[in-house]
Amino acid sequence: EAGVTQFPSHSVIEKGQTVTLRCDPISGHDNLYWYRRVMGKEIKFLLHFVKESKQDESGMPNNRFLAERTGGTYSTLKVQPAELEDSGVYFCASSLSLGETQYFGPGTRLLVL
Amino acid sequence: GQNIDQPTEMTATEGAIVQINCTYQTSGFNGLFWYQQHAGEAPTFLSYNVLDGLEEKGRFSSFLSRSKGYSYLLLKELQMKDSASYLCAVILRWAAGNKLTFGGGTRVLVKP
Repeated sequence: EAGVTQFPSHSVIEKGQTVTLRCDPISGHDNLYWYRRVMGKEIKFLLHFVKESKQDESGMPNNRFLAERTGGTYSTLKVQPAELEDSGVYFCASSLSLGETQYFGPGTRLLVL
Repeated sequence: GQNIDQPTEMTATEGAIVQINCTYQTSGFNGLFWYQQHAGEAPTFLSYNVLDGLEEKGRFSSFLSRSKGYSYLLLKELQMKDSASYLCAVILRWAAGNKLTFGGGTRVLVKP
């Protein structure tokens, strides 16, 4: 069974540009999560989808971040315009149902210059 | 706020035992996860504790005391491949959603 995949693995962009990250969860997992780890800090929650609906977006830092999960399969996280402080590793995770183990992808390393 | 503490770094010798402690002070608690993360890779699930006590899984064991807000991950018969970061994460009340709240991670270095 394929695990959680994320694309791209790395992205280097300039301040003010737009970047879109993609996450493909494990097939059949209704729950999809985005997390972020900025330099020297712990992994922090961004938001949670149940199928195509946003269940909890309390961790989204500001309105420059937009997450979607059309059709309830893969998800995208767009940062527009990117700022220097957005640099970090963006992780996606999925779980079969609420309360089940969350399985993580390898992350997208974003560097904003 | 939520507070989850674990040591930053630990060093141990191949074949030895290492215990990684995690203490938490959170508003609500519904379980504690341990993940292993090798550099540049995905965090991989190791264990999940909900009730007090010890859960053993091969060379890895995890312990939880809810009354003390304390957990540890025990790694036995250390191997070089166990060099990695170990992440402690708590799930709060279900009403607060299903999000994981992480500690900063403990980097374990296994020496020959």
